[in-house]
Amino acid sequence: KAGVTQTPRYLIKTRGQQVTLSCSPISGHRSVSWYQQTPGQGLQFLFEYFSETQRNKGNFPGRFSGRQFSNSRSEMNVSTLELGDSALYLCASSLGAGGSETQYFGPGTRLLVL
Amino acid sequence: AQSVSQHNHHVILSEAASLELGCNYSYGGTVNLFWYVQYPGQHLQLLLKYFSGDPLVKGIKGFEAEFIKSKFSFNLRKPSVQWSDTAEYFCAVNAVLFAANNLFFGTGTRLTVIP
Repeated sequence: KAGVTQTPRYLIKTRGQQVTLSCSPISGHRSVSWYQQTPGQGLQFLFEYFSETQRNKGNFPGRFSGRQFSNSRSEMNVSTLELGDSALYLCASSLGAGGSETQYFGPGTRLLVL
Repeated sequence: AQSVSQHNHHVILSEAASLELGCNYSYGGTVNLFWYVQYPGQHLQLLLKYFSGDPLVKGIKGFEAEFIKSKFSFNLRKPSVQWSDTAEYFCAVNAVLFAANNLFFGTGTRLTVIP
């Protein structure tokens, strides 16, 4: 079974631009979560989607948003990019929501904001 | 709020040495606990998890962890490390009450195994 895939793998943007990242979960998985990984803050939860609905959101500004499609694929968008948004963005999928699920992580999208 | 502490930032061991990585969390309710590993150039992989039952859980590649509720700890152990265990290890927790997949991660421990 194919793992979680994320596109693109690398991205360079300038301040003020916006970016969209994509995540395809493992086949059959309906929950997708997004995390931001930086050297300073470590891994931080962004949001979780299940059945096209956002179930949880982390402590990030409204510039960070996401959505999930009927095939469980998910996208996250960051508007008005800031230098501090440079990070590795990880997507994780699981069979269901509810907390007691193993999350499988993708390779991440590395975003550099100049 | 939930938080996780991993006090060892970088651990250096020789092959065959025993390993114990500390993990403490702060949350008074019932939790699910995880250890993930990130090998160089690879993505995060689940090593083991604890949801309920036997507090001693065994994972892949000879790793195990013990949940001690009274100490809010979930330390990772391996009796004899190999060079291939060189990686970064992350402890993570979520609260059962919130029934949510949002994991709170520790800052990670980098393990270097010297052949």
